[in-house]
Amino acid sequence: QVQLVQSGPEVKKPGASVKVSCKASGYTFTNYGVTWVRQAPGQGLEWMGWVSGFNGNTNYAQKLQGRVTMTRDTSTTTAYMELRSLTSDDTAVYYCARETEDYWGQGTLVIVSS
Amino acid sequence: DIVMTQSPLSLSVTLGQPASISCRSSQSLLYSDGNTYLIWFHQRPGQSPRRLIYQVSNRDSRVPDRFSGSGSDTDFTLEISRVEAEDVGVYYCMQDTLWPNTFGQGTKLEIK
Repeated sequence: QVQLVQSGPEVKKPGASVKVSCKASGYTFTNYGVTWVRQAPGQGLEWMGWVSGFNGNTNYAQKLQGRVTMTRDTSTTTAYMELRSLTSDDTAVYYCARETEDYWGQGTLVIVSS
Repeated sequence: DIVMTQSPLSLSVTLGQPASISCRSSQSLLYSDGNTYLIWFHQRPGQSPRRLIYQVSNRDSRVPDRFSGSGSDTDFTLEISRVEAEDVGVYYCMQDTLWPNTFGQGTKLEIK
């Protein structure tokens, strides 16, 4: 069965970076990209970007350009999302999903606090 | 970016009664391949979103048939024919016709 398992919660100081992983299983990893979505406390869903499982091409939300990098490792079928120069506005649950949005990870809480 | 606007933003429904949520896009979601990439999600508190409907009206497997999606172009609707207790939570529409994907604000459904 398809599963996406994300890394655990993180607490970071303002200005730091965070890297969240998303381990995929149950399907051919290179046939699908991975989408990243975040949700600030009590807020709606925000699309962050996408990384191709096939060739690693990416597409990022404009507001995150320059601060976010999405990568994948086909040998471990894992996708990664790194966000730099964190501020309190980046406090959120971060989700990965298969690009068709039919399967989602469990979410990773990232708290940015001094 | 395409703006997705949902209404209402909250809904209080008696068990067994129908519910309807509207989602409008700021431009047509019809893609050049002839498909319309409009998705509906349901999110319960503390859980990940779950896809209910894709390409406007295709219900995901294991989604009860009381859920249905309809619409075209810029105007879409999610209908629940008979609301059950497990349907509480927030419903989101999302377009993935044109990057960046964009979500509606969400509609919170509660039981009256």
